[in-house]
Amino acid sequence: GDSVTQMEGPVTLSEEAFLTINCTYTATGYPSLFWYVQYPGEGLQLLLKATKADDKGSNKGFEATYRKETTSFHLEKGSVQVSDSAVYFCALTDNNDMRFGAGTRLTVKP
Amino acid sequence: GAVVSQHPSWVICKSGTSVKIECRSLDFQATTMFWYRQFPKQSLMLMATSNEGSKATYEQGVEKDKFLINHASLTLSTLTVTSAHPEDSSFYICSASGGQFMEPQHFGDGTRLSIL
Repeated sequence: GDSVTQMEGPVTLSEEAFLTINCTYTATGYPSLFWYVQYPGEGLQLLLKATKADDKGSNKGFEATYRKETTSFHLEKGSVQVSDSAVYFCALTDNNDMRFGAGTRLTVKP
Repeated sequence: GAVVSQHPSWVICKSGTSVKIECRSLDFQATTMFWYRQFPKQSLMLMATSNEGSKATYEQGVEKDKFLINHASLTLSTLTVTSAHPEDSSFYICSASGGQFMEPQHFGDGTRLSIL
């Protein structure tokens, strides 16, 4: 079945550092890909998405490109802030069934 | 944007009681609702998929008699944890879909359940 493999955390960075969280997927069809963010004590929020190959999703300085050739959707941000500390989930949906990665906990220190 | 309301957000109860969690789509018709469970420091685990008017489809290893799911209308699904025990303590999240192909799920804010 469809699955998502996400870089394991936790990840600890200093403020203004560059962030990459790797995500690869396995799917039989052509899924849409997502990054969700979960702030402490809150529900998941959609961070960005891409619906087809070569699409780039972006939001709040984060971006990820749908790479069909490498089946990847890595999350990047050029300069992280303390407020970016959260758990990030990569996910895919195909035919109304969403699969999540394991989640990556990011801590940004001042 | 689409809004999903999940209630309650927190519940603490004694072992042996039953707890009902509601998931409502506020501004769209949710043909499909999903219930997830999240253990601390772990990813979400899909528990069941619920289509309006049909019996829920449970994932392998999820006890259907333990976690009763009802999706009687296009805007409401409920998860009832029956005879809850401390091992049922967890964070439960619902999500809803309007049924459009490739539509992202819209998530509730989750329910933190603590069984004493």
